[in-house]
Amino acid sequence: AQSVAQPEDQVNVAEGNPLTVKCTYSVSGNPYLFWYVQYPNRGLQFLLKYITGDNLVKGSYGFEAEFNKSQTSFHLKKPSALVSDSALYFCAIWGTGFQKLVFGTGTRLLVSP
Amino acid sequence: NAGVTQTPKFRVLKTGQSMTLLCAQDMNHEYMYWYRQDPGMGLRLIHYSVGEGTTAKGEVPDGYNVSRLKKQNFLLGLESAAPSQTSVYFCASSNRGGRTGANVLTFGAGSRLTVL
Repeated sequence: AQSVAQPEDQVNVAEGNPLTVKCTYSVSGNPYLFWYVQYPNRGLQFLLKYITGDNLVKGSYGFEAEFNKSQTSFHLKKPSALVSDSALYFCAIWGTGFQKLVFGTGTRLLVSP
Repeated sequence: NAGVTQTPKFRVLKTGQSMTLLCAQDMNHEYMYWYRQDPGMGLRLIHYSVGEGTTAKGEVPDGYNVSRLKKQNFLLGLESAAPSQTSVYFCASSNRGGRTGANVLTFGAGSRLTVL
């Protein structure tokens, strides 16, 4: 069965510095990977997705993600963090038959001024 | 432009009481989902539906029932609430799944349930 793992519960970064939020996946076949963000007391919002094609995917709010097949990773990145990026980030993968989206446990990003 | 609407937003129950969470979407989406979010556990799928009149079990279905009598509505029921069901519940919807795997879920704002 498809699954994703987010090894870090929390990532701390100073404003203006680059940030990385890690995600690794397990799948038999082609992976269909997503990143979602959750701001306090809100539902999840879609950031970006990898279906096929370029390994560097660009998304909302200046975020991008790098798909690495050999390392089975799909890390979320941003060149320069903002305090307003502080939120909970979830990696996700479509399950068998594309009926269920399976989420990781989430990584809390804290950007300090 | 409502998207996905969940009611109620907050509810406190006593052990053994029953209640229903309502999810409504106005995007004509085929698929609907109920997730629960607990600290350190991410989002776990409770039940889902791939069309009107159909439902299926997710990862953590025990203690919950669902119904999808109308395409736009997906109801989550707790017949006899337990403290372990204290959680934040999220409804989501998407277009029909396909081999492109490109479908994006649209989420509601969540329903916070406390069972005493």
